[in-house]
Amino acid sequence: QKEVEQDPGPLSVPEGAIVSLNCTYSNSAFQYFMWYRQYSRKGPELLMYTYSSGNKEDGRFTAQVDKSSKYISLFIRDSQPSDSATYLCAGGGNEKLTFGTGTRLTIIP
Amino acid sequence: ETGVTQSPTHLIKTRGQQVTLRCSSQSGHNTVSWYQQALGQGPQFIFQYYREEENGRGNFPPRFSGLQFPNYSSELNVNALELDDSALYLCASSTAAIAKNIQYFGAGTRLSVL
Repeated sequence: QKEVEQDPGPLSVPEGAIVSLNCTYSNSAFQYFMWYRQYSRKGPELLMYTYSSGNKEDGRFTAQVDKSSKYISLFIRDSQPSDSATYLCAGGGNEKLTFGTGTRLTIIP
Repeated sequence: ETGVTQSPTHLIKTRGQQVTLRCSSQSGHNTVSWYQQALGQGPQFIFQYYREEENGRGNFPPRFSGLQFPNYSSELNVNALELDDSALYLCASSTAAIAKNIQYFGAGTRLSVL
């Protein structure tokens, strides 16, 4: 079993829709939870991070962590074609990050 | 842009050769982590350097080695290249003053081993 499980998709939604991306993890030592966006042939771009459980909002993006169920979510409101990318979730303790495989998202105009 | 720069952007090597990849960390960051990302996969942790010392290592063989310099820049060296080493190699910088794993990535070096 992988430490971080993520549905690889692909996921296609119409422009303006709410997108829900999810991951599960198995390592109870994880304290930091990250979401990265990666465009084709580029490096991952840090979107949001959360320390421990709870919600965090930044513009159209909301990250949620439920440590009791080991569940990580990212919500994108009013999705735009420019949001089309691969979204990577990751968890970590003090040093390294452990990533999911990424979900490929396409926003259809 | 994160301020993390990697060179070269692309590299083609043959099996058995050696390669050195370079990374300059974001200003104010003292920690550098290296990851390998195979096509269609998430990044896999290779190792991390903090204060010029290796500070954690993933499940990679000893032919993957690294250095961190006093200016916090870093190198990744891979000896005896194998076909499976073909991947995107990512460098990420962070600062221990906040958290070593709030990491900002460079654009990567794409290595092809023929």
